[in-house]
Amino acid sequence: QVQLQESGPGLVRPSETLSLTCTVSGASVSSGAYYWSWIRQPPGKGLEWIGYIYYSGSTTYNPSLKSRVTLSIDTSKNQFSLKLSSATAADTAVYYCARRLANDYYFDYWGQGTLVTVSS
Amino acid sequence: SYELSQPLLVSVALGQTATITCGGNSIGSRNVCWYQQKPGQAPVVVIYRDTNRPSGIPERFSGSNSGNTATLTISRAQAGDEADYYCQVWDSSTVVFGGGTKLTVL
Repeated sequence: QVQLQESGPGLVRPSETLSLTCTVSGASVSSGAYYWSWIRQPPGKGLEWIGYIYYSGSTTYNPSLKSRVTLSIDTSKNQFSLKLSSATAADTAVYYCARRLANDYYFDYWGQGTLVTVSS
Repeated sequence: SYELSQPLLVSVALGQTATITCGGNSIGSRNVCWYQQKPGQAPVVVIYRDTNRPSGIPERFSGSNSGNTATLTISRAQAGDEADYYCQVWDSSTVVFGGGTKLTVL
């Protein structure tokens, strides 16, 4: 079955870059049938979409985060990654990776999420 | 940018019907999906493309979408339905989530 697993540091210093990786099993990130996304949720708050990447490397970002976000994809490792620069306390959140079918409009598989705290 | 509005809190008596709304400008012209999120867990889609249920989601969950309001209806509410619910649409290739509704089953 399809599984997504986030990994990366749980603590990031302010002004540094937050970096996370999502490892996918049971599906191929190099398939044109899916888009691969990052979504976050600050403690006690709602969901915020960060961006998505296609197998070709094409990306779309949330306009509110676009200046600080970079998504990349590594087909050899079946992974995709998130980098969020100039992190602040407001970036403290549970970060989820998720899959969307290319011909549909919802996220059908999600990772379990990983908490990233931005603090000195 | 496109915005979705949801009530913060909805309460329902055990066994009764819960209705959660999602408001947006002409949302009826968009595909709406709904996610259920229980504490400490990732969201799970319960309705997609307005009215469709993924396999494994009980028939008690249904959706509708018209005009400026999309609705998630949970019939015969159970204690296990207590969760946060989020609506979601696409707008110009970007993803928009509603603010979420906490469903309490009394």
